[in-house]
Amino acid sequence: NAGVTQTPKFQVLKTGQSMTLQCAQDMNHNSMYWYRQDPGMGLRLIYYSASEGTTDKGEVPNGYNVSRLNKREFSLRLESAAPSQTSVYFCASSEGSLSNQPQHFGDGTRLSIL
Amino acid sequence: DQQVKQNSPSLSVQEGRISILNCDYTNSMFDYFLWYKKYPAEGPTFLISISSIKDKNEDGRFTVFLNKSAKHLSLHIVPSQPGDSAVYFCAAPAADSNYQLIWGAGTKLIIKP
Repeated sequence: NAGVTQTPKFQVLKTGQSMTLQCAQDMNHNSMYWYRQDPGMGLRLIYYSASEGTTDKGEVPNGYNVSRLNKREFSLRLESAAPSQTSVYFCASSEGSLSNQPQHFGDGTRLSIL
Repeated sequence: DQQVKQNSPSLSVQEGRISILNCDYTNSMFDYFLWYKKYPAEGPTFLISISSIKDKNEDGRFTVFLNKSAKHLSLHIVPSQPGDSAVYFCAAPAADSNYQLIWGAGTKLIIKP
């Protein structure tokens, strides 16, 4: 039972490079999320998708784009990476669209930008 | 103002004793709270939740207490076990969003043998 799968697990980029973080869930969930976690801080929402083809900005969307390819997959793209985007990125999914429903998380992508 | 605060970065407890993790919030419009547990190199996993219409919710060894007047909640773990060593996050749905959670910074719980 895979749940939420994120790839890659680790990545090092140079400033200005682009990259796409992949996320897939096999729980038939409607809602998917991208978060970043920085040291000493809680998770912050980057983007949210309630269903295929729909996305909404979260608390920290600048510098990121997302694509909800289908019900299973939700990708996060950094077009021109900056050192401030060094973080751990988590993808999550939930059955419904309300934030009081438990979210299921992947194991994260640790991204370093030099 | 919408903040969830976990003011203790870490907590060390003897195995078998009670662990109490605290969380404060600033917005009285918050009406639901969730606790997540996170092991190193893994994503958070949902642990327990509580609605603002209740003041207590219990699930096995885990109990969450809510004090609305003080804007405070706490997670009690009894008895504490080595596998409980993890980072615990408190979160609340934002008052002005259907999909955004406001997260605390987390408390690292260390269970000593």
